[in-house]
Amino acid sequence: NAGVTQTPKFRILKIGQSMTLQCAQDMNHNYMYWYRQDPGMGLKLIYYSVGAGITDKGEVPNGYNVSRSTTEDFPLRLELAAPSQTSVYFCASSPRGVSYEQYFGPGTRLTVT
Amino acid sequence: DAKTTQPPSMDCAEGRAANLPCNHSTISGNEYVYWYRQIHSQGPQYIIHGLKNNETNEMASLIITEDRKSSTLILPHATLRDTAVYYCIVRVPLKTSYDKVIFGPGTSLSVIP
Repeated sequence: NAGVTQTPKFRILKIGQSMTLQCAQDMNHNYMYWYRQDPGMGLKLIYYSVGAGITDKGEVPNGYNVSRSTTEDFPLRLELAAPSQTSVYFCASSPRGVSYEQYFGPGTRLTVT
Repeated sequence: DAKTTQPPSMDCAEGRAANLPCNHSTISGNEYVYWYRQIHSQGPQYIIHGLKNNETNEMASLIITEDRKSSTLILPHATLRDTAVYYCIVRVPLKTSYDKVIFGPGTSLSVIP
């Protein structure tokens, strides 16, 4: 199993541009999550999903959108990128929700200038 | 929501036990305590979790006080590769039928040769 994969690893965006961060897992996990981590800070939950077709907001959802059309994929969409969205983005999955361990991807480092 | 308090940083000599404390005085009866760590620039890694009893696995031991208001993660023989930020997490009470998890700032552990 590849586990949780994320693409791209690095990206530079101009203010106002849009992009999609890709996340995929091959462990057949129902639960998936998107976090962001600002320099020197802890992780903050952006969005999560408990299965295909079901998503919900986390702590910091503004400026982002998600979709979950399949169990494997959970893309994160950034619309009208702003400098405040400069961060490292981590995707994670879990077999049965947060009562069980989460498996994290390697992250996407995004810079908005 | 139950919150956690951890020291911002700790040092540990290589080969010695590293004891990382966490306070969670408002923990609810059905909430678990989880520990993750994040090595620089990598995604977080699950370490261990527990509810009431002490737990041990190949990576670490988790000691939870009888009143469950605090816990300690023990790395029995710290190595340089254990240098990381360690997160103590308590499962957030459900607002809906969906689960969430919140990461705090964590403890930065430095293992010193």
